[in-house]
Amino acid sequence: GAGVSQTPSNKVTEKGKYVELRCDPISGHTALYWYRQSLGQGPEFLIYFQGTGAADDSGLPNDRFFAVRPEGSVSTLKIQRTERGDSAVYLCASSFQGPRRGDTQYFGPGTRLTVL
Amino acid sequence: ELKVEQNPLFLSMQEGKNYTIYCNYSTTSDRLYWYRQDPGKSLESLFVLLSNGAVKQEGRLMASLDTKARLSTLHITAAVHDLSATYFCAVEVPSNSGYALNFGKGTSLLVTP
Repeated sequence: GAGVSQTPSNKVTEKGKYVELRCDPISGHTALYWYRQSLGQGPEFLIYFQGTGAADDSGLPNDRFFAVRPEGSVSTLKIQRTERGDSAVYLCASSFQGPRRGDTQYFGPGTRLTVL
Repeated sequence: ELKVEQNPLFLSMQEGKNYTIYCNYSTTSDRLYWYRQDPGKSLESLFVLLSNGAVKQEGRLMASLDTKARLSTLHITAAVHDLSATYFCAVEVPSNSGYALNFGKGTSLLVTP
């Protein structure tokens, strides 16, 4: 079956611009997560949705970052006034029920964001 | 602050050899995950370890969890080139409203002829 998909696969933008990154989770998965992976590092948690609501946004680095999931399926991560330090691979994952113990998260291929 | 440390970070090994990757973490947790990532690819779930003493095996890989020592191991038996990838452990700990995964930096494995 279809896995988690993310678009675009690559995004190059200039410092100060606004970007949107899209995630399409596995059909039927209620939980959706965003992570950021910098070169040579493990993924770093950003935000988690259960259904349409952001259940935990404690990983968002600052108020330039925002994410939505209006219909409980597709999610968009939005970054305002991008900075060079935002350059990373942004990963999306989904799971069937939520971050209860043992619920495996399935990851998408990521969007590589480069801020010039 | 939770720390998840993997050792080694880089590993080059010959085909046919055995080796173990270690994952230490600094807080109480009894849920640990292992993922594999190929260059430019998604993270692929390998093992989910849900209790102290859990051991799981798939092919040439075997993972174990010791929650008292806060240690998980990923053992590679008779390595083959196809195992070349980066391996991440991730520890599940309570967050604001559920549980979050905290990842190690990854172990980059290269298996050579």
